[in-house]
Amino acid sequence: GEDVEQSLFLSVREGDSSVINCTYTDSSSTYLYWYKQEPGAGLQLLTYIFSNMDMKQDQRLTVLLNKKDKHLSLRIADTQTGDSAIYFCADSNSGYALNFGKGTSLLVTP
Amino acid sequence: DTAVSQTPKYLVTQMGNDKSIKCEQNLGHDTMYWYKQDSKKFLKIMFSYNNKELIINETVPNRFSPKSPDKAHLNLHINSLELGDSAVYFCASSPNIGITDTQYFGPGTRLTVL
Repeated sequence: GEDVEQSLFLSVREGDSSVINCTYTDSSSTYLYWYKQEPGAGLQLLTYIFSNMDMKQDQRLTVLLNKKDKHLSLRIADTQTGDSAIYFCADSNSGYALNFGKGTSLLVTP
Repeated sequence: DTAVSQTPKYLVTQMGNDKSIKCEQNLGHDTMYWYKQDSKKFLKIMFSYNNKELIINETVPNRFSPKSPDKAHLNLHINSLELGDSAVYFCASSPNIGITDTQYFGPGTRLTVL
């Protein structure tokens, strides 16, 4: 399938902003998603962006999409210890299923 | 009130056994999915059903057989379990099949094969 790539680890201090980056190859992806997985828990949909948008903001979350470069980022403002989790970027695999990146483990330190 | 539920949450079994994992969604969605998350946290689609019909089968061994008795249920039966089947299995559902539909995930079933 098409590839979705993410960096594997990110460590930030509490109160700082976190930026998690993702690149994808499927140019036909119409929606791109960010999911969060807390330790031992399931996947929680955080936000998604339609491919004709450049930016979407939802409270502390900002998603930026550069469709030309096939680059997606998730910015978390004022990162809290409760934000520590694995964040998965996903695009739509031929419209039928989600194609996930390998996840970025975010560690927030006090 | 759980939207997508799976049972059991944990499953520990011996190699060679046959086991089933159940999934139910109460969202009225038409499409359901099974994903596998391996020990490195990599998530991959296994199956997708739309209105009880199989849509996707991503080169999964035929020891894995999904069964959808109705739109709200998609069960996963695994025959002759192998060590490599140890993983977390996630069920998901979406209103319909298509790129515009957001998928909602269950809490996962952690399968350990000894």
